[in-house]
Formats: sequence, C-alpha cells, structure tokens
Amino acid sequence: QKEVEQNSGPLSVPEGAIASLNCTYSDRGSQSFFWYRQYSGKSPELIMSIYSNGDKEDGRFTAQLNKASQYVSLLIRDSQPSDSATYLCAVKIEYGNKLVFGAGTILRVKS
Amino acid sequence: DAGVTQSPTHLIKTRGQHVTLRCSPISGHKSVSWYQQVLGQGPQFIFQYYEKEERGRGNFPDRFSARQFPNYSSELNVNALLLGDSALYLCASSLEGYEQYFGPGTRLTVT
Repeated sequence: QKEVEQNSGPLSVPEGAIASLNCTYSDRGSQSFFWYRQYSGKSPELIMSIYSNGDKEDGRFTAQLNKASQYVSLLIRDSQPSDSATYLCAVKIEYGNKLVFGAGTILRVKS
Repeated sequence: DAGVTQSPTHLIKTRGQHVTLRCSPISGHKSVSWYQQVLGQGPQFIFQYYEKEERGRGNFPDRFSARQFPNYSSELNVNALLLGDSALYLCASSLEGYEQYFGPGTRLTVT
C-alpha cells in the first residue's frame, strides 16, 4: 500500500464548477497535511495546510481532514482555467521529518 | 522577501560524472529539505537538514549526499551519475516543523 494515494485523473470540470480532489494516507500518526499546486514545468506551490479534523477555508479553496478515515480533500470553488494544474497531496511523516507526496491529480478546467 | 533560490536551473551531465546542486532558503528559515521528482510522480524525499545537522534521510543510495552551511544554504551532491538520476531536484525551506516552500528546482539530465 502506498503511503499517500491520489486519483491520477485527469479530473475535468467546467469553468465555475466545484472541483473535488481526494487523498488517502496510511500513517495513522500523521498530524500535518498539505496541498500543493504544480503547473507543468514548474515547482510545487503550497496552497493549503491543515492540521486538525474538519474544514479550513482560504478564498476559493477548502481543505477537509478526517483523521479517523485517514482522508484529506481539497475543494476548489468557482474553478477557473488558471486552476488547471497537478495537485499534490503531502503528508508529514514525523519519523524522519519528511513530506510524503502522492503522485498528484491532474485537474483540467474547461472554459 | 526573496523566496527559495536554486542553482543551476538546468544541467546536463554524462553517466559517471558527479554534480553539485545549490539552494538558498528563505531568509529566517533554518531547515532545508531536498526532493527528487521524476516525470509523472510526486516529489521523493532525499534529505532534511536543520541547523547544519541531518534530521532525515530518504531511501536513496550513498551516492547522494548533502550538507548545510552556517548561513543555512545547502548543497546536494550526487556521485557516479546514472541515467535514472535524471529528474527535477527540488529544495524546500521551512521554519522547523512548519510548512515547506519549494524553490524553482534544478532540472538534471544525465546522458
């Protein structure tokens, strides 16, 4: 079982719709979770961090965490073509002080 | 404030050669981590350094080594390059225990 799993996509949504990206992780001891956006040929850009169960909102982005189900999600409201990118879910593994990334979900927003 | 900087941007090397990649963290950040990202995958953790000490090491061969300097900048060294070392090498800086911010990366091609 991979430590962090994401659906590779591509996920296609129309402009203005809500995009829902999901991630599951295997280490029950993980306490810190992150979403990064990566445009083609660029480096990952941090867009959200979440540490507690529940929802965290920042502009059009909402991160959701359920530690009991070992599940993290990212909702993007009013999706724009500029949101088209690969979204990487990352989990901090306390042992070794490292981030473990999923393979990423490709999001395509169609205008 | 300046973000994380990395040099060089691109590099082409021949099998068997060695390479040194450099990273300067965000001002005030004392932790630097290195990741390798191959096409279609999420970044893979290589090393983390904090206050010049190695705090974590990923599952990479001993050909990979790193160090951190008193000004918190860091170098990643790779010896005896293999074709499979071709990747985007990412440096991330953080305050200890907090979010990691990536630099633009160094694209290494081994021929």
